[in-house]
Formats: sequence, structure tokens, C-alpha cells
Amino acid sequence: GENVEQHPSTLSVQEGDSAVIKCTYSDSASNYFPWYKQELGKGPQLIIDIRSNVGEKKDQRIAVTLNKTAKHFSLHITETQPEDSAVYFCAASSQGGSYIPTFGRGTSLIVHP
Amino acid sequence: DADVTQTPRNRITKTGKRIMLECSQTKGHDRMYWYRQDPGLGLRLIYYSFDVKDINKGEISDGYSVSRQAQAKFSLSLESAIPNQTALYFCATSDWGQGAGETQYFGPGTRLLVL
Repeated sequence: GENVEQHPSTLSVQEGDSAVIKCTYSDSASNYFPWYKQELGKGPQLIIDIRSNVGEKKDQRIAVTLNKTAKHFSLHITETQPEDSAVYFCAASSQGGSYIPTFGRGTSLIVHP
Repeated sequence: DADVTQTPRNRITKTGKRIMLECSQTKGHDRMYWYRQDPGLGLRLIYYSFDVKDINKGEISDGYSVSRQAQAKFSLSLESAIPNQTALYFCATSDWGQGAGETQYFGPGTRLLVL
């Protein structure tokens, strides 16, 4: 089955800095890679996703890149703000797996004012 | 997401007790899931259901059972709770046929403590 590794487990940055979270996956059949943000006391919520036919996708201050050859994908947050502080999960899924996601272990991002 | 509700939000129980966690959704999705979250271990799938008559085990189903009472309702039961089932439990839903992938919509979670 799919295995998703996520690093780092904790990331501390100063407000205004950039933050990068990296994930690797093992199943070459995976073709959908969502990122979820979990704020304190809430359930995870999708913030951005990328499909295997695209190398990069941006949405305001967040972007995701995908390298299919190396089987890794990354989340980039620019100009971080305190409200970006949360736990972020990457995931990978495939049509053959009925798009049931395998999640990484999560990254706790702390943005210091 | 208010479209997916979980009850109770917090529960304390004792070892050996049977408990049920309930999930309801108004999104009209066929697919529903139960996950468990532990610090440092991420989200692990317990059970999932693609429709009312279809229920499947996830990677950590031992000690759990589920019931899909209707399209909108999916319950998780711990037959005989043990302390290592202390965790944060999430229900999620998803649609199908929206393209090359699908988004999961999570409830607010149930924090369970087994003494």
C-alpha cells in the first residue's frame, strides 16, 4: 500500500518568513495530492491540492509543487502570518485506491509574531 | 465544517465499557469515513463506507465496529474500550465523480479518554 512520509514534524518561523513542508510517497500510481490544515479544536480542512498532470499550483500565499519522478511534493507558504499556525497534513491517493487518502503524520507550524 | 457533525464532542469512559460515537452529514455524500488521530501518528483510517450497504475495514479496525444507519449517518462503536483507544476521532465524508480526486470533509472531532 501507499506510504507517505512528511517532514518536518515541527516548524517554527517568524512572521513574514516562508515555510516549506515536504512529503514523499511510495506508490507511483498515486495521482492526487491534497493538503489539509487543522486549526486547534477543529477538523482538518482542505487548503490546496494538486493532480499528477500538474507540476505546480498556487493560491495566493500558498503553493504546492509536485515531482512525480522523485515521488515528492511540497507545500510552500510565503509571508507567514500568526493565523497560519496550525497542523498541516499532506496526503496521497489514487483512482485504483478509490481515492482513499493516505495521510502523512502532520507538521505543526508555529508562526511567531 | 458544520455540514458534518459529531456527537459527543468529548467523552470520558472506563475500561471495558461500550461506547458509540455518532456522525451525521448534510452534504449528501455517499462516502463516509472514521479516522483516529494520535499525536505524531497523523490520521489513520478505522472504517469506511461507500454507501449504506458497503462497509470496509481500514488499517486499524481491531476493537472497533461501525453501523451505517442511513446515507447521512455513520456510527463508530468501541465494544470494550481500552486505554490505548484514547484519541481524537474524526468522521469525514467525500463525494465521488468530481474529477481526478476527491476532497474529504471532516467533522469537528470527538475527544475520547478511556480510564
